[in-house]
Amino acid sequence: KNEVEQSPQNLTAQEGEFITINCSYSVGISALHWLQQHPGGGIVSLFMLSSGKKKHGRLIATINIQEKHSSLHITASHPRDSAVYICAVRSGSNYQLIWGAGTKLIIKP
Amino acid sequence: GAGVSQSPRYKVAKRGQDVALRCDPISGHVSLFWYQQALGQGPEFLTYFQNEAQLDKSGLPSDRFFAERPEGSVSTLKIQRTQQEDSAVYLCASSPLGLTNTEAFFGQGTRLTVV
Repeated sequence: KNEVEQSPQNLTAQEGEFITINCSYSVGISALHWLQQHPGGGIVSLFMLSSGKKKHGRLIATINIQEKHSSLHITASHPRDSAVYICAVRSGSNYQLIWGAGTKLIIKP
Repeated sequence: GAGVSQSPRYKVAKRGQDVALRCDPISGHVSLFWYQQALGQGPEFLTYFQNEAQLDKSGLPSDRFFAERPEGSVSTLKIQRTQQEDSAVYLCASSPLGLTNTEAFFGQGTRLTVV
């Protein structure tokens, strides 16, 4: 079993739909990152969380430390949101990130 | 620059050729990471620098891979005698502080294709 698991692996939705991507982890963490990667592109950091909830534009990230679970939500989704969304955790003081496999999101117009 | 810059963006190398990939981190960032991302896979850690010191190179897959950051800013990842299995996107990330839970900023990556 992977230490960081994401679901779903693939998600196709219509423009305007509310999107939820889930991340569960099995290790103790000091921080959880949500990142976005477009095809052929680099990785963009969306959020870094250690507790609670963060919002940036149409993106919302939440984390429940007790349940070892985080969600990334996209409101009013748009085709330009199509990308791979990756959850990665930093365990304790370890500088290395433990990466999830990513969720490939396609938003159709 | 405003972000992490990597060059070249794309590199095609013949098998056996040596390549050098460059990373310009955000100015003043202490930590610098190199990752290798094979097609359809998540990034795999290669090596970590804190300033000019290479504190961890445990992820480098073989002794053909070498990384340096001589002045604590620009870093170069060198791959000698490239093999087809080296084909991947090589990502560089930097962060402002050392071993703390700070946000990492990623470059666009260099896509290496070995033919």
